[in-house]
Amino acid sequence: EAQVTQNPRYLITVTGKKLTVTCSQNMNHEYMSWYRQDPGLGLRQIYYSMNVEVTDKGDVPEGYKVSRKEKRNFPLILESPSPNQTSLYFCASSIAGGGGEQYFGPGTRLTVT
Amino acid sequence: GENVEQHPSTLSVQEGDSAVIKCTYSDSASNYFPWYKQELGKGPQLIIDIRSNVGEKKDQRIAVTLNKTAKHFSLHITETQPEDSAVYFCAASKGGGSNYKLTFGKGTLLTVNP
Repeated sequence: EAQVTQNPRYLITVTGKKLTVTCSQNMNHEYMSWYRQDPGLGLRQIYYSMNVEVTDKGDVPEGYKVSRKEKRNFPLILESPSPNQTSLYFCASSIAGGGGEQYFGPGTRLTVT
Repeated sequence: GENVEQHPSTLSVQEGDSAVIKCTYSDSASNYFPWYKQELGKGPQLIIDIRSNVGEKKDQRIAVTLNKTAKHFSLHITETQPEDSAVYFCAASKGGGSNYKLTFGKGTLLTVNP
């Protein structure tokens, strides 16, 4: 089954404790992206990757890091989480640029206390 | 950068009625306009999309219209059913280039009452 998977689905952590949210897709997609979803703000792009070893900032990259060492994986790293990073996070993938369907993962709900 | 405005933020209809959600965009270079449906506890899923060389597209009970001159596009759902209840997001993209980036509206919570 073609899908985007994220782990963990739920995470409660404390301020300053480094964490990684994993994202994996099995569709051989070149493009991958991370979004955060907050009430009243919709979905905002954090980072994206056009291909292996190619990453760039989206609209709200502060406090986040990413890496793309393999085509299928695109982890999101919070080196020192803060309460304002409490949010619902989605990973998405797409075949390539040019406009087309982005496939979203099921989401990771992160709470930072 | 691109800015997408979406209205209304909430919409309640009776089963069988039609629902219309409207979006405007700011960047005239945007050429791809998808609509996503997000059910409770799930990620958004594409339901229909339209490109700038097309004025209207229909898929069963769902249709999208695009007015490039006015820079607005709309989602139309006819004969609504309770399973249409969800949050709907419009988005805009230039497609291609250095970032295939979707700029999303803030979403519309659609409730279809049986």
